[in-house]
Amino acid sequence: DGGITQSPKYLFRKEGQNVTLSCEQNLNHDAMYWYRQDPGQGLRLIYYSQIVNDFQKGDIAEGYSVSREKKESFPLTVTSAQKNPTAFYLCASSIEVGGSQPQHFGDGTRLSIL
Amino acid sequence: GESVGLHLPTLSVQEGDNSIINCAYSNSASDYFIWYKQESGKGPQFIIDIRSNMDKRQGQRVTVLLNKTVKHLSLQIAATQPGDSAVYFCAENHTGTASKLTFGTGTRLQVTL
Repeated sequence: DGGITQSPKYLFRKEGQNVTLSCEQNLNHDAMYWYRQDPGQGLRLIYYSQIVNDFQKGDIAEGYSVSREKKESFPLTVTSAQKNPTAFYLCASSIEVGGSQPQHFGDGTRLSIL
Repeated sequence: GESVGLHLPTLSVQEGDNSIINCAYSNSASDYFIWYKQESGKGPQFIIDIRSNMDKRQGQRVTVLLNKTVKHLSLQIAATQPGDSAVYFCAENHTGTASKLTFGTGTRLQVTL
């Protein structure tokens, strides 16, 4: 069954701690994305990757880091520099960036502060 | 449950009626548009898309209308069912420029019995 898998579903972060959110896709898509969703706001782009070993900052990249060592995987690290990390994080993929195909989303990770 | 959708505009519709959800987009250069449905605690689910060379596209129980003159997009859901209750939001893109999707804030659809 093709799709995007995000884990864990819920994650708690202690102050000063880095945490990593996992995103795996088996859709053979080149492009992958990370978004942050806060109540009452549209999705905001954190980072995106057009192809393996490449990634670009989105609109709110500060306090986050990513890697793209494999086509299937695009993990997001929320660092201690991100002072307001509590949010719902969504990973997405698409065939390419800037094309006329939809992005497909995982079911998200809810990050909270302990 | 997931607090996504808090403070969003809400549309209440009786089961069996038709729903119309509207979206105003900002970029006149946008040429590709998508509607997503998001249920509580889940990721957005693709519903239907439309390119700017069309003004109407139909799917199963859903129709998207595009009015480029006033930069307006609407999603019509026929015979609304309780399972349609969710947050709906539109997204726009200017293709071919490596730009990314811009997402609207969404509308909560509540289906009453």
